[in-house]
Amino acid sequence: EPEVTQTPSHQVTQMGQEVILRCVPISNHLYFYWYRQILGQKVEFLVSFYNNEISEKSEIFDDQFSVERPDGSNFTLKIRSTKLEDSAMYFCATHPRRGSNSPLHFGNGTRLTVT
Amino acid sequence: AQKITQTQPGMFVQEKEAVTLDCTYDTSDPSYGLFWYKQPSSGEMIFLIYQGSYDQQNATEGRYSLNFQKARKSANLVISASQLGDSAMYFCAMREDSHNNNDMRFGAGTRLTVKP
Repeated sequence: EPEVTQTPSHQVTQMGQEVILRCVPISNHLYFYWYRQILGQKVEFLVSFYNNEISEKSEIFDDQFSVERPDGSNFTLKIRSTKLEDSAMYFCATHPRRGSNSPLHFGNGTRLTVT
Repeated sequence: AQKITQTQPGMFVQEKEAVTLDCTYDTSDPSYGLFWYKQPSSGEMIFLIYQGSYDQQNATEGRYSLNFQKARKSANLVISASQLGDSAMYFCAMREDSHNNNDMRFGAGTRLTVKP
């Protein structure tokens, strides 16, 4: 069964550095999402992306965050200048079409540690 | 506003017993989907079961069933014959059709511990 692939699985970075988290969606999927989960807490919506543009973003998704799909395959989340509180698990999720009748397909996540 | 509420931060169950994990939701959209995910200690999100707002019958998937009470806006997960491998975080989630990007919103989760 096709999978959403995220790399790296774990990234350690110093405060103030830029990080790029990568996701390869399932090939026929059109809707892409990033979620964040601070350790032991709830899974929080960050941003959704459709037709090469952001369709919605949460209040967490401030100017330090950006997303793009530069080559039509990878879907990336960039954090421009990381803060300690950005330490979390970041999940990419994708979906083939509009509609609420099927689940999002999640990648295995990237654990980001900011020191 | 909180759309998905899971009121049980932690639950314990004896192996081979059944357990119910509670979930209530809030929406004015007549068309929506409710989902349960399992997150083991390794961190991945594993889809368990889906219930559509128009479904007449409660969803079942193996040992998982969803007790859907639409008027009460509840979608409790029932795990029968608990196994040690069921110990994990469980998240209830919802997608609404009227919502422009159809994203999924999650509850705070319930940590289930199965005791031998």
